[in-house]
This record gives sequence, structure tokens and C-alpha cells, in this order.
Amino acid sequence: RKEVEQDPGPFNVPEGATVAFNCTYSNSASQSFFWYRQDCRKEPKLLMSVYSSGNEDGRFTAQLNRASQYISLLIRDSKLSDSATYLCVVNKRTNAGKSTFGDGTTLTVKP
Amino acid sequence: DTGVSQDPRHKITKRGQNVTFRCDPISEHNRLYWYRQTLGQGPEFLTYFQNEAQLEKSRLLSDRFSAERPKGSFSTLEIQRTEQGDSAMYLCASSLDGGGYGYTFGSGTRLTVV
Repeated sequence: RKEVEQDPGPFNVPEGATVAFNCTYSNSASQSFFWYRQDCRKEPKLLMSVYSSGNEDGRFTAQLNRASQYISLLIRDSKLSDSATYLCVVNKRTNAGKSTFGDGTTLTVKP
Repeated sequence: DTGVSQDPRHKITKRGQNVTFRCDPISEHNRLYWYRQTLGQGPEFLTYFQNEAQLEKSRLLSDRFSAERPKGSFSTLEIQRTEQGDSAMYLCASSLDGGGYGYTFGSGTRLTVV
């Protein structure tokens, strides 16, 4: 079993839709969590950190459920420009050197 | 200094040759990371440095791979006796301290071994 698992998708949604991705992690001691966005053949870029209390940045909301060991990303009012692969990242310690990436969930937003 | 720079962007090499990649991190960042990514997979950790010290290496990093960060600035990743399985995108990232605020990645070096 992989340390970080994501549904690869693809998720195909119309513009304006709300879409949610989940990511599960196996190490219950994991301390910090992130979502990255990766466009085709480009480098990953940090989208947002995931805090225990949840956090929101515009149309994006991230949640952490420690009991069930998953994090989620909700995108409201999808735009064409949201089309990308979304990578879930888990660190064992807050000051960890190594981050473990999921294999990503691909989102395509269609007109 | 606007970001993490990697050189070259693309490298095609014949099997058995040695290759070296360079990464220049964001100057204020003391941590530097190397990851490898193949199509359809997430980035896989290879190694990281805090300043000039290499603090962790993945078991993925066979003895054909070596990384250095002299003087705690730029880093090089060398692959000796390349194999077709080494074909991948090699990503460098940097962060301040433990990356509690995430990494900044470079654009990567795409290696093709023929």
C-alpha cells in the first residue's frame, strides 16, 4: 500500500461546478499536509497548506481529518484554468526533510 | 533571484554515459531537495541538503547517483552509467528550514536515456 493515495481520476467537470478530491495517508503520525498543483509538463506549485482547523483560499478549501487519515480539497465555481493535476503531500514531521507525494488527481474543466 | 533554476532543461544521453544536473536554489533557502518524477506518478524523494550537509538519501538513490551541495549554495546531481530506467524528470526544490510552508520547485531537467 502506498503511503499517500489519491484517486487518479480523471475528473471531468463543467465550468462552474464544485469538485472535491480526497487523499488518504497511512502514517498516523504525519504532521503537515499540502496540496500542490501541477500543469502538464510543468513543475509542481504549492496551492495551499492544510491546517487542522481547515483553511480556505478563495474558491479552494482544504480539510484535514486526522481520525480517518485523509485530507480533502474542494474547488468551487470551477474555471477552465483549474484544469491540472492536484498532488497531495504529507510530511512525517513539521520540520521534515522528506515529503511524500501522492500520484495526483487529474481535473479537466470543460466549457 | 526569482526562483529555483535548473540546468539543463533537457538532456538526451546514451545508455552508459554519465550526466550531471545543476540546481540553483532561492538564495535565502537553506534546504535543497532532489526529486524524480515519471509520467503518471508523483515526485519521488531522492535526497535533501540542509546547507552543505546531505541529511537524507532515499534507497532509490543507488550507488550510481551522487549529489553534492558545496558551500551550501548550488547543488549537482550526477548519474553514472545511465540506464533506460533513469529516464525521468529530475526536480529540484528549495525551502526555508523544514519546508513547513512548502517547497518551491525548479522547472526540472528532463532526462532521456536512449
